[in-house]
Amino acid sequence: GAVVSQHPSWVICKSGTSVKIECRSLDFQATTMFWYRQFPKQSLMLMATSNEGSKATYEQGVEKDKFLINHASLTLSTLTVTSAHPEDSSFYICSAIPGHIQYFGAGTRLSVL
Amino acid sequence: DQQVKQNSPSLSVQEGRISILNCDYTNSMFDYFLWYKKYPAEGPTFLISISSIKDKNEDGRFTVFLNKSAKHLSLHIVPSQPGDSAVYFCAASSGGSEKLVFGKGMKLTVNP
Repeated sequence: GAVVSQHPSWVICKSGTSVKIECRSLDFQATTMFWYRQFPKQSLMLMATSNEGSKATYEQGVEKDKFLINHASLTLSTLTVTSAHPEDSSFYICSAIPGHIQYFGAGTRLSVL
Repeated sequence: DQQVKQNSPSLSVQEGRISILNCDYTNSMFDYFLWYKKYPAEGPTFLISISSIKDKNEDGRFTVFLNKSAKHLSLHIVPSQPGDSAVYFCAASSGGSEKLVFGKGMKLTVNP
């Protein structure tokens, strides 16, 4: 299947700092990528749709100023958690679509102290 | 309001037996369904999908059945193997949208 790379896999940061997570499509071009968040024992919740060359589309209840998304190229989307707080601690996962199936990155575990 | 429901949080089966994972949905506009498998601290891996124009799709040990009238789908794994132990998510989309709605997942344990 298609390869989606996500980096870093794990990050610990102090409260108030910003964290950037990268999502790359390694063997295909992705005009659209998705960012999800998963809390323990919960479903994957779609946060936003990242569109290459244009603004991201955020789901209801997701703060766009808090979770900055940039999709500057056809193979890279970044999610920046700004001024992170402990309640932002979660598992963040990106996905991309080389066809009709979403392929996911390995996820990023964010722990905010 | 959860549109995709996996009502059983876990399932335990013996190696070699059949595993049946169930999923119900409420949105009649959903027309494409997928199953993903997820290990801890990893992203979901695509397993199998089915379009609403079909009622069955098979890929090796994995078969997905769709009952549109009941708004129900199931994933059958035969024979089950210990390596199948993971959390399985059911997901759905509608109208050609690329957005997926996920269920909460079900933890499958296959005992040797």
